Formats: sequence, structure tokens, C-alpha cells
Amino acid sequence: DAGVTQSPTHLIKTRGQQVTLRCSPISGHKSVSWYQQVLGQGPQFIFQYYEKEERGRGNFPDRFSARQFPNYSSELNVNALLLGDSALYLCASSWTGNYGYTFGSGTRLTVV
Amino acid sequence: KNEVEQSPQNLTAQEGEFITINCSYSVGISALHWLQQHPGGGIVSLFMLSSGKKKHGRLIATINIQEKHSSLHITASHPRDSAVYICAVDEKNDMRFGAGTRLTVKP
Repeated sequence: DAGVTQSPTHLIKTRGQQVTLRCSPISGHKSVSWYQQVLGQGPQFIFQYYEKEERGRGNFPDRFSARQFPNYSSELNVNALLLGDSALYLCASSWTGNYGYTFGSGTRLTVV
Repeated sequence: KNEVEQSPQNLTAQEGEFITINCSYSVGISALHWLQQHPGGGIVSLFMLSSGKKKHGRLIATINIQEKHSSLHITASHPRDSAVYICAVDEKNDMRFGAGTRLTVKP
């Protein structure tokens, strides 16, 4: 069984551009969470989706948005990119979103 | 003040030493996770705890719910254990992370 898969693995964007990151959860997992990890720090919670509904949102600006599809995969969108958005973006899936997370390997976004 | 505090931030050990990493949290939680992150970023879940103690190979994790404290122990440490170890807690609908402990085990 495939683990949590994220794409792309690496990405370079220019300030002001928009980016879409993708996450496919483990088969059967209905919850997907997104995290931002800036170099040298622990991950910070961005969003959690469960059964296609937003269940939680961290302290991130409205430039960050996400959605979950009927097959439980998810996309994270970031508009008007800033240099400070450069980070590793991690996706984690679980059955219910309450415990038992499995993480993907992340997408490393560099904004230049 | 971060809701999840880890200590130490950095730890260097000689191969074979016993390692302890500590985690304290200030929020009510349903579970606590110990995660391992290698260079390149991939995160592996080591343990999920809601009470007591768990052991897997040379790794032992304990949690004291009353004191809001958890420890991760590595016995007979090895250079391949070198990584960042992150404590994270489940609070309602999100997960809060410590800043991580960077462990380097020298041969």
C-alpha cells in the first residue's frame, strides 16, 4: 500500500506567483492536514480537512487555501507568493483526523 | 511561549550512549507523537502515546499525563540515529509541534 504521496517534491517560484501543492492520502484515510515547516523550526499547522470539509485552520493569511476532493486527495494553494513562504510543506493523512497520522515526504518550495 | 517545548535543542553523543529527549506541553491533548525527521525532510512517526510507555527496538517513549511531560529514550545509540526528533501533540483538530531536537551520534 502506497504511503502519503506529495507532488511535486521540489518547486521554485517567483515572488507574486501562485502555487498548487498536491497530496494523496493513504487509501482509506479520510482526513488530510497540511503543515508548513520553515528551516530550523518545527512544522506549523495550516489546514485540516475531513470528509471534504474544512475542520481546522491555523494562523495563516487568506493567501493560503486548500480543498479536499471526493477521493480524499487534497490541494494546497498559495497566492501572491512571498519570500517568507519558502518552506517544506508537509501533508499528513489519518482515518479520522484525530490521531494516527502518516506523513508524506513533503514539497520543498523555494520563492525567489 | 510555545505550547510544546523540547529539550535539548541540540544533542551530540558518542555511539553506544543512552539518549534522552524531553517534551513538555501546556495544552490538553488526546495523544502525543514522537516523530523522526531526516535530512531532506521526510517525517517518520515513531510513537503515538496517550498514556504509559511504549517500546520499539532500541526506542522507548514515556508520557506522564498529569505532569504534561514525555520522554524519548534511545538505548545503545548509533550514528544512523542521527536525525531531528520532533514531539507533537494532538489538540482537538490540529497537531502542534515542538521545534525539534537535533541529535548527532558520532562513531
